[in-house]
Amino acid sequence: AQKITQTQPGMFVQEKEAVTLDCTYDTSDPSYGLFWYKQPSSGEMIFLIYQGSYDQQNATEGRYSLNFQKARKSANLVISASQLGDSAMYFCAMGRVNFGNEKLTFGTGTRLTIIP
Amino acid sequence: DTAVSQTPKYLVTQMGNDKSIKCEQNLGHDTMYWYKQDSKKFLKIMFSYNNKELIINETVPNRFSPKSPDKAHLNLHINSLELGDSAVYFCASSTGLKAFFGQGTRLTVV
Repeated sequence: AQKITQTQPGMFVQEKEAVTLDCTYDTSDPSYGLFWYKQPSSGEMIFLIYQGSYDQQNATEGRYSLNFQKARKSANLVISASQLGDSAMYFCAMGRVNFGNEKLTFGTGTRLTIIP
Repeated sequence: DTAVSQTPKYLVTQMGNDKSIKCEQNLGHDTMYWYKQDSKKFLKIMFSYNNKELIINETVPNRFSPKSPDKAHLNLHINSLELGDSAVYFCASSTGLKAFFGQGTRLTVV
């Protein structure tokens, strides 16, 4: 079974500072993917970034980067130069690579509030 | 162009009623899903379909019946609605693991 743990239910960060959202995972699968999704107050789920378990380099997408530490089973999201629009719920998720049988297991989320 | 669209966005209904939520994706993905987000924001998979075939059914009550007429559509029909069914239901589609979500349907059962 796969499990995702997000230990920060809420965070407050000053605008323009960098933010690290924690995520640890547990799986026995050799091949898996790790994701971060953003859910603003409007409710939609927005894909942010993906890291494959065999990827040698940490994923980056604009201001988002994923700090992947495989031995520690952690996949923290780093947001550089935070903006007011970054205030939202953030979910870490993982999926097992199993053709035609993929599904995502989500963490409980972190509510990020950016303070002006 | 909306990649994954689901309707309606809001649904308020009385206990015991039957309701449907529709989902369509124009991404050409083979796999579609229904996820449920409860009042504590926890997201959990309900069903997945791959090329119109049911692949995953995560011990969802049989009052919930998904139907996939073609690989671009996955509808969710719920019979005899209960108060505990109140939640946000997300449709998603994917190729491989990377899933794209619809905007969600907030179902309120009164």
